[in-house]
Amino acid sequence: DIQMTQSPSTLSASVGDRVTITCRASQYISVWLAWYEQKPGKAPNLLIYKASTLQTGVPSRFSGSGSGTEFTLTISGLQPDDSATYYCHQYKTEPWTFGQGTKVDFK
Amino acid sequence: EVELLESGGGLVQPGGSLRLSCVVSGLPFTTYDMSWIRQAPGKGLEWVSISASNGPIFYADSVRGRFTISRDNFKSTLFLEMNGLRAEDTALYYCASKKGFGYALDYWGPGTLVTVSS
Repeated sequence: DIQMTQSPSTLSASVGDRVTITCRASQYISVWLAWYEQKPGKAPNLLIYKASTLQTGVPSRFSGSGSGTEFTLTISGLQPDDSATYYCHQYKTEPWTFGQGTKVDFK
Repeated sequence: EVELLESGGGLVQPGGSLRLSCVVSGLPFTTYDMSWIRQAPGKGLEWVSISASNGPIFYADSVRGRFTISRDNFKSTLFLEMNGLRAEDTALYYCASKKGFGYALDYWGPGTLVTVSS
């Protein structure tokens, strides 16, 4: 199985900060990587797919990059509404796998 | 507006069975891949199974042989038959849609809670 490792596990930042979350795959996954945001008590919400394609309706402050085994999610100008847990997800090969999550909160 | 709505969760004893349903509206169900993902209380996301629109079905190792995914394209409904339930299957079960090759899980339901306990 392909293991997905996210870092950091938790992140404290201030409104307006630029925030970066990293996801590393244990095997080559090309660009078949998605990012989701999950708020407490809610289902995950797709932010980015195919490593860097912004899902319709997602604010442009979210961006994704990377290919192969190293990927990043960047939030440019953190907003109060961005307090959530973020997950990466590889869908190149079954079984699909998720990262362990990165919780973003405010200082 | 796209809507996915799961049902069928509940409390079941170890070794028992449940059948989850996910009714989908607002998208062309027959052309979408459909998946189940679960989340144990306070934990991360775990992929369970997928039913591709063109036929292939896959399972996580942890559920293969115990769970069966199926779909009724006429009723735009996805199912998950769960047998031999274990305590570690306790989770919120989400269904989610995938538009096709290259796309990720774009729409999710609110989930249905399965609790396995004696």
